[in-house]
Amino acid sequence: ELKVEQNPLFLSMQEGKNYTIYCNYSTTSDRLYWYRQDPGKSLESLFVLLSNGAVKQEGRLMASLDTKARLSTLHITAAVHDLSATYFCAVARSDMRFGAGTRLTVKP
Amino acid sequence: DSGVTQTPKHLITATGQRVTLRCSPRSGDLSVYWYQQSLDQGLQFLIHYYNGEERAKGNILERFSAQQFPDLHSELNLSSLELGDSALYFCASSSPGGVIITGELFFGEGSRLTVL
Repeated sequence: ELKVEQNPLFLSMQEGKNYTIYCNYSTTSDRLYWYRQDPGKSLESLFVLLSNGAVKQEGRLMASLDTKARLSTLHITAAVHDLSATYFCAVARSDMRFGAGTRLTVKP
Repeated sequence: DSGVTQTPKHLITATGQRVTLRCSPRSGDLSVYWYQQSLDQGLQFLIHYYNGEERAKGNILERFSAQQFPDLHSELNLSSLELGDSALYFCASSSPGGVIITGELFFGEGSRLTVL
């Protein structure tokens, strides 16, 4: 069964700092997705990574995929308060399985 | 706005009752997915339909059932409700890439079910 593990599950950061969220998955897949969820809201797609070595960047967030290591990272650069949310990675085959999510809080 | 519509947004009911949650996918999307999100279980995949046919099943209880109709809308039926069924139920759709997902899922706003 496909398993997706994220760490850390909780992350409290200071504004201006950098940090990385890790996503490991258990079976072969070359499609990895990152989503953002604000409290009580729906999930919003951030990145779609469709091949080994894929790297995508949007603002202060950068995602990468290493299919051989079955690892994706979401790097946060110079965090700002607006980035506070829960971030999910997900791996797709015939369905999409989500990690437990990383609840990020950015403090002044 | 993702283009995925879910109704109702909120639902309060009693244990033992039955409810139906409805989802209309984005125009042109053939796949519909249902997820359950609760505080202690995270985002759990329930079931995937593609063009009216069931394609994958996750941790869906026998008390729950779903279907996708010819117009591609989907319904999730929850019966003999228990307190633990209280959760946010999301529907998502994806672009018509067949059974295998390539693009991202587009999520509706969710239906919040409270069982008292």
